[in-house]
Amino acid sequence: LAKTTQPISMDSYEGQEVNITCSHNNIATNDYITWYQQFPSQGPRFIIQGYKTKVTNEVASLFIPADRKSSTLSLPRVSLSDTAVYYCLVGDMRGASKIIFGSGTRLSIQP
Amino acid sequence: EAQVTQNPRYLITVTGKKLTVTCSQNMNHEYMSWYRQDPGLGLRQIYYSMNVEVTDKGDVPEGYKVSRKEKRNFPLILESPSPNQTSLYFCASSSTGAATGELFFGEGSRLTVL
Repeated sequence: LAKTTQPISMDSYEGQEVNITCSHNNIATNDYITWYQQFPSQGPRFIIQGYKTKVTNEVASLFIPADRKSSTLSLPRVSLSDTAVYYCLVGDMRGASKIIFGSGTRLSIQP
Repeated sequence: EAQVTQNPRYLITVTGKKLTVTCSQNMNHEYMSWYRQDPGLGLRQIYYSMNVEVTDKGDVPEGYKVSRKEKRNFPLILESPSPNQTSLYFCASSSTGAATGELFFGEGSRLTVL
């Protein structure tokens, strides 16, 4: 199982673009990369998932370089409500569902 | 409304007193899973189930049991709780599995074992 490494915390300001990088050096060929957001005392919420290159949805973009050993979650124009913990997960697309959540990145947005 | 429902949301119990945390989903998902969350340790997977009558251990299964007799329910059983099982527990479900699909989480069950 691929282990992930993320920064423990990040700070930014409203209106800025925030990029959170996740390192997963041991990622396997069949692994997908998924990001979740968690607010205090709530369950995590799915943000975005990708396998390679770039994926974009209405809330974020996910950039995955060709070697797939890292990925970057990009949050455009953050607001105070984006203050949360962000988790990067790596898991096997073939359905083996024993996956690892890392310790996450605590993002704090200031006015 | 699509949701994952856990009960109880809060529980204080004593060492050795068996308890069950229920989890139910209304999305007809095949995959369900339990996690515990402790400060500084993120979310750790306890057990997961790919479908009815199919369960498997996650990273921290010791001291826990699960069953999957119906598709919608996946209870977590602590036969003899101990203080090191004091934690925040989350149940989750998905249509395709934790690694390849979107996991839907419940609101959490905060358990304190004295």
